[in-house]
Amino acid sequence: AQSVAQPEDQVNVAEGNPLTVKCTYSVSGNPYLFWYVQYPNRGLQFLLKYITGDNLVKGSYGFEAEFNKSQTSFHLKKPSALVSDSALYFCAVRELSGGYNKLIFGAGTRLAVHP
Amino acid sequence: SQTIHQWPATLVQPVGSPLSLECTVEGTSNPNLYWYRQAAGRGLQLLFYSVGIGQISSEVPQNLSASRPQDRQFILSSKKLLLSDSGFYLCAWSVRKESSGNTIYFGEGSWLTVV
Repeated sequence: AQSVAQPEDQVNVAEGNPLTVKCTYSVSGNPYLFWYVQYPNRGLQFLLKYITGDNLVKGSYGFEAEFNKSQTSFHLKKPSALVSDSALYFCAVRELSGGYNKLIFGAGTRLAVHP
Repeated sequence: SQTIHQWPATLVQPVGSPLSLECTVEGTSNPNLYWYRQAAGRGLQLLFYSVGIGQISSEVPQNLSASRPQDRQFILSSKKLLLSDSGFYLCAWSVRKESSGNTIYFGEGSWLTVV
């Protein structure tokens, strides 16, 4: 079965500093990886995904993620954090079941950006 | 563009009462539809998914059921709610065309508190 792990329960960053939210995966076959963000009391918003091609994927709100096959990682990054980036971030992996997609989510990492 | 609507946004129900959460998708046809539950503001659990009208698959045994009476309508129900049914319920959709990289898009969620 596919799985992802988010080893950090919370990440604290000062505004203007670079941020990294970690994700590692375990899959059989090619990984299809996603990042979502959830603001308080809201649904999940899609940020970016890796399917194939360049290992550096760019997404919404200035976020990017680096796919590293040898380390089985897909860390989310942003060069300069904003206070408004404070939210809950989920890494997910696609699992193909019955011929269509399901997403298996990590436990989530809470990002707190301090002024 | 595609949009997903979910209602009610908030619901407080007594134990033993019935439940009906509704979700509709606009701007697309034949979507895959999903119900997820998020407990304690963290992990997401897939409850049901559907590839077509009347076609429902359940991921975990529980007190809930789902129905898809129309192509773009997905309903989550219960005949008798339990305290443990409390949580944040998220409806989601993806394009039906089979592609491993299809993104899953989420609604804004429904808060259910069983008292």
